[in-house]
Amino acid sequence: EAQVTQNPRYLITVTGKKLTVTCSQNMNHEYMSWYRQDPGLGLRQIYYSMNVEVTDKGDVPEGYKVSRKEKRNFPLILESPSPNQTSLYFCASSLRLGTGNTIYFGEGSWLTVV
Amino acid sequence: AQKVTQAQTEISVVEKEDVTLDCVYETRDTTYYLFWYKQPPSGELVFLIRRNSFDEQNEISGRYSWNFQKSTSSFNFTITASQVVDSAVYFCALRTGPNTGNQFYFGTGTSLTVIP
Repeated sequence: EAQVTQNPRYLITVTGKKLTVTCSQNMNHEYMSWYRQDPGLGLRQIYYSMNVEVTDKGDVPEGYKVSRKEKRNFPLILESPSPNQTSLYFCASSLRLGTGNTIYFGEGSWLTVV
Repeated sequence: AQKVTQAQTEISVVEKEDVTLDCVYETRDTTYYLFWYKQPPSGELVFLIRRNSFDEQNEISGRYSWNFQKSTSSFNFTITASQVVDSAVYFCALRTGPNTGNQFYFGTGTSLTVIP
């Protein structure tokens, strides 16, 4: 089954404790992206990757890191989480950009930083 | 600038009523794509439809229909005979062309509540 898988789905952590949210897709998609969703703000892009070893900042990259060492994986790293990073996070993937390919989302990761 | 506006933050309707969710977009690209996604209370984002900028034909899928009008830069979504299961947040999205980075832009969402 084609899917985007994120882990963990739910996490409560403390300020400053590094964490990684994993994202994996099994569709051989070139494009992957991370979004955060906050009330009244919709989805905002954090980082995206056009292909392996190619990453770029989205609209709200501060406080986050990503890496794309393999095509299927695109982890989101919070080196020193803060309460303002409490949010619902979505990983997404698409075959590639430059065409009308649909973007597919993971199920979301609810992150609370206390 | 690329932008998607969903002016309706929250809508409530009684079951079986029709409801239209508005979406207005801005882009300077001539080639672009428009999408609608549904986010039920469980949180996942479900793809509903994709429409490219060269295809202004309206689309109907069961109780769902979409009206794309380039003249007004709108891509509105209508649910006919609404049901409680339609209660969700709906996002409109724009995917731009190569001139503006091929990126996705999402609206802030419209929360629809269908009252039984």
